[in-house]
Amino acid sequence: EAGVAQSPRYKIIEKRQSVAFWCNPISGHATLYWYQQILGQGPKLLIQFQNNGVVDDSQLPKDRFSAERLKGVDSTLKIQPAKLEDSAVYLCASSPGSWELSGNTIYFGEGSWLTVV
Amino acid sequence: KNEVEQSPQNLTAQEGEFITINCSYSVGISALHWLQQHPGGGIVSLFMLSSGKKKHGRLIATINIQEKHSSLHITASHPRDSAVYICAVSKPYNTDKLIFGTGTRLQVFP
Repeated sequence: EAGVAQSPRYKIIEKRQSVAFWCNPISGHATLYWYQQILGQGPKLLIQFQNNGVVDDSQLPKDRFSAERLKGVDSTLKIQPAKLEDSAVYLCASSPGSWELSGNTIYFGEGSWLTVV
Repeated sequence: KNEVEQSPQNLTAQEGEFITINCSYSVGISALHWLQQHPGGGIVSLFMLSSGKKKHGRLIATINIQEKHSSLHITASHPRDSAVYICAVSKPYNTDKLIFGTGTRLQVFP
C-alpha cells in the first residue's frame, strides 16, 4: 500500500516569497491533515479536511496560509508571504476518518522541510 | 500547561538498556498514540491504545486510563532506536484530531 506522498521534501525561500506544498493521501482516506512542526516541538494541527470540506482550521494563520482539497483527494498548502517563523516541517497525514473502520490510525507523510531566510 | 506532557524531554542510553518514556494527559481521550519520528523522516505510528497493554517486538506500550498516564518501553535498546518518540491523544467526539506532546528525544549509544 502506497503511503502519504508529499512534495517538495525541502524548500528554501526568502521571506515575503510564497511557497506551496502538495500532499497525496493514502487512497480512500477521507480525512487529510496538515501539521506544522517547529524544531523541538510537537506537531501543531493547521487544518483538517473531511473529503473536500474543512473540519477544523482554527489554528491556521489565514492571513498568510491557505489550503485546499478541491476534489477530496490531494491537497495543497500555500504560504504567502512567508515569514522567518514559518521555518518548520509541514507534515501531511491521512486517516480513513472512521473510528469503526480502522481504529482511526493516522498515517503521516515524510514531511516538507521549509527554511525561510 | 500542555494537555499532553512527556518525560523525559531527552534521554540517552547505552545499547541493551531498558528504556521508559512517560506520557501524562489532562483531558478525556478516546485513544492514545505513540509515534516515532526519525531525523529527516516522517512520523510512524507505533501504537494506538485505548486500554491495557500492547506489544510489538521490543516495544511495549501501556496505558492507565484512571491515572491518565501511558508508558512506552523499549527492551534491549539499539542505536537504531534513536529517534523522537511522540505521545498524542485523540479526544472523544473528534477522534480524528490529535493533540501532541512535545516528544522525547532518545539517543542510544553502542
